Amino acid sequence: GAGVSQSPSNKVTEKGKDVELRCDPISGHTALYWYRQSLGQGLEFLIYFQGNSAPDKSGLPSDRFSAERTGGSVSTLTIQRTQQEDSAVYLCASSAPGQRSYEQYFGPGTRLTVT
Amino acid sequence: AQKVTQAQTEISVVEKEDVTLDCVYETRDTTYYLFWYKQPPSGELVFLIRRNSFDEQNEISGRYSWNFQKSTSSFNFTITASQVVDSAVYFCALSEAPEGSNYQLIWGAGTKLIIKP
Repeated sequence: GAGVSQSPSNKVTEKGKDVELRCDPISGHTALYWYRQSLGQGLEFLIYFQGNSAPDKSGLPSDRFSAERTGGSVSTLTIQRTQQEDSAVYLCASSAPGQRSYEQYFGPGTRLTVT
Repeated sequence: AQKVTQAQTEISVVEKEDVTLDCVYETRDTTYYLFWYKQPPSGELVFLIRRNSFDEQNEISGRYSWNFQKSTSSFNFTITASQVVDSAVYFCALSEAPEGSNYQLIWGAGTKLIIKP
């Protein structure tokens, strides 16, 4: 079946611009995670959504970062006033409800370059 | 605090050799989950295995095997008879039993495995 998809695959933006990154989770997966992979910080958790519950935003690095999930499916990660340190690969993962909810399946990522 | 350490930054072996990737973790929880993911040059993270803290039974899947030892807080990964296609970055990760259902992953730094033909 279809896996997690992310768009765009690559994004180059100028410092100070806003960007939106999109994630389509696996159908039926109720949990959705955003992570960031950068050279300096490795892989780090950003935000978690579960169904219609309030998201866990504890990993967002600054208030320039926000995310929403519409209809319990597609999610958008928005970075306002981008900075060069935001350059990274942004990864989305989803997991199924129930006993295997801890197994996360990842999309191909969006490589963000801030110039 | 929780932490995952992969001390081997890069390992290079010749094809058909066996290779072990080390992973040491720290957690105060008694219930937790350990994972290995593979990230090939294409970039997509591929789930390999998950172990629960209450199940120390080792696991073998084809050429892959995992050794979980709570006494040393280690979850090592061995590839037997390595192949060039095994070349990738391998990540060990930890998830603690959440208060809610957020099984966020705490990641090691990764080990880059190079298999030479």
